[in-house]
Amino acid sequence: AQSVTQPDIHITVSEGASLELRCNYSYGATPYLFWYVQSPGQGLQLLLKYFSGDTLVQGIKGFEAEFKRSQSSFNLRKPSVHWSDAAEYFCAVASGYSSASKIIFGSGTRLSIRP
Amino acid sequence: GAGVSQSPSNKVTEKGKDVELRCDPISGHTALYWYRQSLGQGLEFLIYFQGNSAPDKSGLPSDRFSAERTGGSVSTLTIQRTQQEDSAVYLCASSLAKSAAQETQYFGPGTRLLVL
Repeated sequence: AQSVTQPDIHITVSEGASLELRCNYSYGATPYLFWYVQSPGQGLQLLLKYFSGDTLVQGIKGFEAEFKRSQSSFNLRKPSVHWSDAAEYFCAVASGYSSASKIIFGSGTRLSIRP
Repeated sequence: GAGVSQSPSNKVTEKGKDVELRCDPISGHTALYWYRQSLGQGLEFLIYFQGNSAPDKSGLPSDRFSAERTGGSVSTLTIQRTQQEDSAVYLCASSLAKSAAQETQYFGPGTRLLVL
């Protein structure tokens, strides 16, 4: 069965520093991968998604993620974080490209920004 | 042009009571999903609707949980005989296409349920 692991529960980085949030997936076929952000008091918002093609995916708010099949990873990166990036980040994988597919979410990584 | 809306935003109930949670998807979105987010946990898939039918209800944790969708629009999630472990944020999402992989899911703000 497919699964997603986010090994870091909580990360704190300084404003202006670079960021990398880790995500590992388990899925037998070609995965469809997503990163969502949940800001305090707000709903989840899609940052970016990977279906095929270029393994480096650009998203909104200056985020990017790289799909590495050999490592079963889809890590999220940002070169310079802003205080407004403080939020909960969820990695997710779609179970298939079919009408009955659903998204499996990781347990999330909470990002705090140090002034 | 409104997004996904959910009501109530907060619900406090006593153990053993029934609760109904409502989701209004974005107009025209045929796919609708319910998730549960417990404290410190990720999102747990509950059920998926395509139109009024539910091809995947594999995530419903027990027979106390049920959901329906009428007119291809509004959906209600019902929890009967609530238990304290049902306390969580219940999130609804909708998307245009049948497949979660094909289209972006748009999430509502959630209903925070507290069972005393």
